[in-house]
Amino acid sequence: GQQLNQSPQSMFIQEGEDVSMNCTSSSIFNTWLWYKQEPGEGPVLLIALYKAGELTSNGRLTAQFGITRKDSFLNISASIPSDVGIYFCAGQLGNNRKLIWGLGTSLAVNP
Amino acid sequence: EAGVVQSPRYKIIEKKQPVAFWCNPISGHNTLYWYLQNLGQGPELLIRYENEEAVDDSQLPKDRFSAERLKGVDSTLKIQPAELGDSAVYLCASSLGTATLNEQFFGPGTRLTVL
Repeated sequence: GQQLNQSPQSMFIQEGEDVSMNCTSSSIFNTWLWYKQEPGEGPVLLIALYKAGELTSNGRLTAQFGITRKDSFLNISASIPSDVGIYFCAGQLGNNRKLIWGLGTSLAVNP
Repeated sequence: EAGVVQSPRYKIIEKKQPVAFWCNPISGHNTLYWYLQNLGQGPELLIRYENEEAVDDSQLPKDRFSAERLKGVDSTLKIQPAELGDSAVYLCASSLGTATLNEQFFGPGTRLTVL
């Protein structure tokens, strides 16, 4: 099925570093959602974006809805070991509630 | 507020056996989703319910998979008979279900292993 291009696929960083990941698509989305999934758990919603250009923060996390509505970015500042997990982007086309998912970015943080 | 509850958390069965998964969504969420997640992949939608009605089951393999949400709250997903390729994590999610607010909240999933 249709999927988003999410990059990078994986990241291994030192504690305290900033992290940036993004998702792109050839389609225009009206909603972008960012989730984090830890081993053995379901995805947890981090940030929801509903307007082009919107910039939203949740603690050390900041996400942006791209102006073209075809991309979104997630930044994590001052990473800590508990940031470890897989981060997924998901986009919604039109008013269809079906979400299109990226393949995830696996984040590892070295203390 | 309680989150989405799923049971069992783990299930190991032999191929050709039946299996069922149960989900209780967040109170007040009228939209319920069942997803399948393979290792290294994002969730893939199997079926979406609006209250009791299955409004999108296009990705559900209907020859062996079935689902129900009889009273518009709890839901059950069944596989009969299970095949080796069905080994995956089955996730349930719920949302308030408005067209412009589609924040989906997930349960912990059921990890199915078919031997």
